[in-house]
Amino acid sequence: QVQLVESGGVLVKPGGSLRLSCEASGFTFSDYYMSWIRQAPGKGLEWVSTITSNSGYTDYADSVKGRFTISRDNAKNSLYLQMNSLRAEDTAVYYCAREMATVTRPFNSWGQGTLVTVSS
Amino acid sequence: SYVLTQPPSVSVAPGQTARITCGGHNIGSKSVHWYQQKPGQAPVLVVYDDTDRPSGIPERLSGSKSGNTATLTISRVEAGDEADYYCQLWDSSGDEVFVFGTGTKVTVL
Repeated sequence: QVQLVESGGVLVKPGGSLRLSCEASGFTFSDYYMSWIRQAPGKGLEWVSTITSNSGYTDYADSVKGRFTISRDNAKNSLYLQMNSLRAEDTAVYYCAREMATVTRPFNSWGQGTLVTVSS
Repeated sequence: SYVLTQPPSVSVAPGQTARITCGGHNIGSKSVHWYQQKPGQAPVLVVYDDTDRPSGIPERLSGSKSGNTATLTISRVEAGDEADYYCQLWDSSGDEVFVFGTGTKVTVL
């Protein structure tokens, strides 16, 4: 079955950097667009970034544009999120999610998330 | 930026029907998806493209849309339906971004 496992979340100081990873299994990873979605403690869901199946196109929420970079390695079935210039407001559980292969792009599989805490 | 508005909370007795609304500008022309998130768990897609259910989602959960409001209906509510519910769409106009609703906490009395 589809499995997405995130890792890399830790406590980091403001201004610091971090790279999150998401390892996929149970499906042909290279066929699917993937996204990162985050959830601050006690808050709602916020889309962060998306990448197409061949890495030809990426997109970012305004709140992270210029600081975060999404990438993938289809040979390793892995998705990444490089996070720079971290701020307290980036504190959240970060989920990787697979988009359904339709024009309306719902997220039909999610990992369990990894917690990023930005604090001095 | 595009905004999807949901009521913060809905309370319902077991066996009754819960309705969760999601409002947004011109939502009638967009496809709405719904997610269920239980405490400490990742979200799960329960309805996509306004009315379709992924495999394994019970028929008690259904989606509809009228005018500028989409609705998730939970019939014959059970204790296990207590969760946060989020609507979501992909806004293909303008910035082409994914938008989540503000979320609704469903409490089973």
